[in-house]
Amino acid sequence: LAKTTQPISMDSYEGQEVNITCSHNNIATNDYITWYQQFPSQGPRFIIQGYKTKVTNEVASLFIPADRKSSTLSLPRVSLSDTAVYYCLPLRAAPISGAGSYQLTFGKGTKLSVIP
Amino acid sequence: DSGVTQTPKHLITATGQRVTLRCSPRSGDLSVYWYQQSLDQGLQFLIQYYNGEERAKGNILERFSAQQFPDLHSELNLSSLELGDSALYFCASSKDLASPGNEQFFGPGTRLTVL
Repeated sequence: LAKTTQPISMDSYEGQEVNITCSHNNIATNDYITWYQQFPSQGPRFIIQGYKTKVTNEVASLFIPADRKSSTLSLPRVSLSDTAVYYCLPLRAAPISGAGSYQLTFGKGTKLSVIP
Repeated sequence: DSGVTQTPKHLITATGQRVTLRCSPRSGDLSVYWYQQSLDQGLQFLIQYYNGEERAKGNILERFSAQQFPDLHSELNLSSLELGDSALYFCASSKDLASPGNEQFFGPGTRLTVL
């Protein structure tokens, strides 16, 4: 199972770009990198997912270098409402058939605090 | 609103008791996942069901059990409760097995307080 390491917390001012890096040195060939966002007392919410290079959606960008041992979630021009915990999660493609077993390890995430 | 519902929203009980948490997945989702989140442990995966069958197990205690019914709703049973079981319990669902392209949608959670 790929173990992830993220900073415990980060602070940023409103309007700045925030980059949160996740280290996953032993990521498997068929693991995708998935990021979730969680506001206090709410369930996590999917943000973005990628395999390699760069993925962008309306919320964020995800950069994954060629060796895939890390990934960086980039949030452009953060606002106070982006204050949340961000989780990096390697997600393995499920087996096509037969009973499979895999772990869904969210870890402790990165607590982002956006300051006015 | 993710479409995943959980009941009850809050639950207060005493040590040694048994409780049942209920989860209804999004319409059409076959997979249900249970997570425990306490202040010092982060989000811990407990167990997953897919179309009525147990599919994956995480850090679930023997005092805890779950099942998924034919209508795809799921229940998490917690017994012989201890103070340390106080936490937020989340249910999530996805169309298929958790995999790229099959993101999980989380419910609002059940806050369990054991006194």
